[in-house]
Amino acid sequence: AQTIHQWPVAEIKAVGSPLSLGCTIKGKSSPNLYWYWQATGGTLQQLFYSITVGQVESVVQLNLSASRPKDDQFILSTEKLLLSHSGFYLCAWSLEGPDYTFGSGTRLLVI
Amino acid sequence: GDSVTQTEGLVTLTEGLPVMLNCTYQTIYSNPFLFWYVQHLNESPRLLLKSFTDNKRTEHQGFHATLHKSSSSFHLQKSSAQLSDSALYYCALSESQGGRALIFGTGTTVSVSP
Repeated sequence: AQTIHQWPVAEIKAVGSPLSLGCTIKGKSSPNLYWYWQATGGTLQQLFYSITVGQVESVVQLNLSASRPKDDQFILSTEKLLLSHSGFYLCAWSLEGPDYTFGSGTRLLVI
Repeated sequence: GDSVTQTEGLVTLTEGLPVMLNCTYQTIYSNPFLFWYVQHLNESPRLLLKSFTDNKRTEHQGFHATLHKSSSSFHLQKSSAQLSDSALYYCALSESQGGRALIFGTGTTVSVSP
């Protein structure tokens, strides 16, 4: 069975500090991968998507970057956090179609 | 660009009553996929149901929705709400089967009381 694992579960970080969030999908070969961000009380905003290793497309920048170093791994990062980066970050996968399965998410608080 | 509109931010109702959540969309694509996701407190969103067939009712876990391309709508309904239905409901749109983006509405919070 396929599983999606996000890490860390939660982070409290200082403004200006770096950030790295990870997502691993097991049990699926060559999935489409996505990063979504949900501000507190807000909707789900797509940040990035990737259909293959090494290729990432940006949808909304928000001073974040993403990479896909392995087929089953998707990384979200930034060199300098802003207060506005606080929120809930969700990784999702799909195969051919737009049926997304979301991970359990990472809650980020920037102070 | 594509967009999804959910007019109700909060719906409160008593257990056993029917519930309907509105969803309308805008897209230039002729064969969009529409989805309803449900997100319970402190959990991640989970697919509730989906459709791409015009005028065909889709059902899952007591909920149902029908895609009406003529009115660009995909309203979610349930005949009898349960306490466990309290959650945040998102309507979402993808331009096609191979769409790279899922556009979400602003969400409707449903609160069911005894």
